[in-house]
Amino acid sequence: NAGVTQTPKFQVLKTGQSMTLQCAQDMNHEYMSWYRQDPGMGLRLIHYSVGAGITDQGEVPNGYNVSRSTTEDFPLRLLSAAPSQTSVYFCASSALLPGGKLFFGSGTQLSVL
Amino acid sequence: KQEVTQIPAALSVPEGENLVLNCSFTDSAIYNLQWFRQDPGKGLTSLLLIQSSQREQTSGRLNASLDKSSGRSTLYIAASQPGDSATYLCAVYWMTTDSWGKLQFGAGTQVVVTP
Repeated sequence: NAGVTQTPKFQVLKTGQSMTLQCAQDMNHEYMSWYRQDPGMGLRLIHYSVGAGITDQGEVPNGYNVSRSTTEDFPLRLLSAAPSQTSVYFCASSALLPGGKLFFGSGTQLSVL
Repeated sequence: KQEVTQIPAALSVPEGENLVLNCSFTDSAIYNLQWFRQDPGKGLTSLLLIQSSQREQTSGRLNASLDKSSGRSTLYIAASQPGDSATYLCAVYWMTTDSWGKLQFGAGTQVVVTP
């Protein structure tokens, strides 16, 4: 049982480049979300989705874009990378709304130079 | 403003000692609270989830209590082992009227259990 799979695990970008962080889950969860984790600031919600075709902004959405065309996949796009987006990114999913048990991927460490 | 605080940020205990981790929150009208474990370079693993109507949850050596009136939850880990070394985070879920709710994480407590 793979759970939540994130790719890549590491990525280095130059300022202004764009990229997509991939997230896939095989648990048929309706709720999926993206967080960033920065030292001393905990996890902050970027975007989330409550089902295919439905997305909404979280606490820190600027500079990021998401779409949800299938139940399984929830990619996060960085439109024009900035050094402030250097962080560890986590994807999480849950079967229940509201407030269900969250399952996390192993994270993507992103550095923007 | 709804905030979640975990103090201390780090602690070290000798093997065999009981661990007591604290989580406090500012708004007592919570929906539920989760405790997570995070190992270095890894994602978070949910340990326990307590609904607002519950006072505690137990799983093996782990016990989490919830006191909404005082805005506190405590995670107890009995007879700590070196394998319990990790960062422990709590997350509080509040229902909201304008969205699908709000989940707020604490910054975590980094635990080291020394042999």
